[in-house]
Amino acid sequence: GAVVSQHPSWVICKSGTSVKIECRSLDFQATTMFWYRQFPKQSLMLMATSNEGSKATYEQGVEKDKFLINHASLTLSTLTVTSAHPEDSSFYICSAFKQFGDTQYFGPGTRLTVL
Amino acid sequence: GQQLNQSPQSMFIQEGEDVSMNCTSSSIFNTWLWYKQDPGEGPVLLIALYKAGELTSNGRLTAQFGITRKDSFLNISASIPSDVGIYFCAGSPGANSKLTFGKGITLSVRP
Repeated sequence: GAVVSQHPSWVICKSGTSVKIECRSLDFQATTMFWYRQFPKQSLMLMATSNEGSKATYEQGVEKDKFLINHASLTLSTLTVTSAHPEDSSFYICSAFKQFGDTQYFGPGTRLTVL
Repeated sequence: GQQLNQSPQSMFIQEGEDVSMNCTSSSIFNTWLWYKQDPGEGPVLLIALYKAGELTSNGRLTAQFGITRKDSFLNISASIPSDVGIYFCAGSPGANSKLTFGKGITLSVRP
């Protein structure tokens, strides 16, 4: 199978601080990873596409300076929420392609709560 | 933008019953996917469909890729309590492309 992990699984932080979330492909290399956010009782909304070795591509309406994405290796992408505010509280989920033409495999998600 | 339509928002069935969920799109997709999400977890892939007309099974689950490439359905037979969760359809224009998700259907199974 294809295993994607996220760390941490949950985090609580104070308003104004920055939080880093890691997404790892454990048993495969992923040149492309995706970051989603999901509010309660809603669907997944794509935030950005993370490409190894290049800049991320952000969806319309997503602030790239607020949600920093780094995909420095074929097995790790990080999402940093800078100067977090209560409205950034959400469930953040990453996904990765196992190989070209394959489908996306999702991580278990990270619950962010900003006080 | 592209949207996937799933309805109703919630479904309630009795254990042992079959249930069918539909997903429609205003645009063509070349890949259709069905995911299940449990509370506090990430979505888990159930079935992937890559060809129009394709019918694929995974245990008690069967899904079909519509001929028009604008719809797909998922059928769960002989439901059991662990089938409870949110079922999302997702579409993609092609390999390694980003996904568009439906709003999901919350399935409840009464024992």
